[in-house]
Amino acid sequence: TQLLEQSPQFLSIQEGENLTVYCNSSSVFSSLQWYRQEPGEGPVLLVTVVTGGEVKKLKRLTFQFGDARKDSSLHITAAQPGDTGLYLCAGGGGSSNTGKLIFGQGTTLQVKP
Amino acid sequence: EAGVAQSPRYKIIEKRQSVAFWCNPISGHATLYWYQQILGQGPKLLIQFQNNGVVDDSQLPKDRFSAERLKGVDSTLKIQPAKLEDSAVYLCASSPTGKETQYFGPGTRLLVL
Repeated sequence: TQLLEQSPQFLSIQEGENLTVYCNSSSVFSSLQWYRQEPGEGPVLLVTVVTGGEVKKLKRLTFQFGDARKDSSLHITAAQPGDTGLYLCAGGGGSSNTGKLIFGQGTTLQVKP
Repeated sequence: EAGVAQSPRYKIIEKRQSVAFWCNPISGHATLYWYQQILGQGPKLLIQFQNNGVVDDSQLPKDRFSAERLKGVDSTLKIQPAKLEDSAVYLCASSPTGKETQYFGPGTRLLVL
């Protein structure tokens, strides 16, 4: 069974601080996606990484896919209150390659002004 | 472009009652997914449709849950009878062919008392 473990599960920081969220698995994924979910809404895709070692930047967010395609990280620089939300990683491309995503349990981020 | 629509947004029922959720995917999207998201967890895939055929329903509790997508467009998910542990957010998502980004609806929040 493919599982994704996210850490930390909860993070409360002050505006302006940096943070890193980790997503780890013992399984290899062909792609890794990061979503942000706000209260009362569905998840919204932030980025997809597909190549081992790949780094993508989205403004103050930096995403990295591990060389072995088993882990990923999300780094936020100078966090702002608008970054508050639930961050989910999701692995795709299992053996059946049906587009099925395996989600981690999520990291709840609170950025205080 | 209109997003994924879901209704109702909220539902409160008593255990052993029945409930149905409706989803209308983005126009032209062949693949439709139903996820269950329990509080504090990431979404778990219940069923995946490709047009009106089932691709994956391995995690659907078939003794009480059923889903259909008769005309390959909108879909309904039914729970009969509901249990307390079914309290969750039920998310619908769609993608063009199942290999790309999934777009999520806002979800239906179910509370079983």
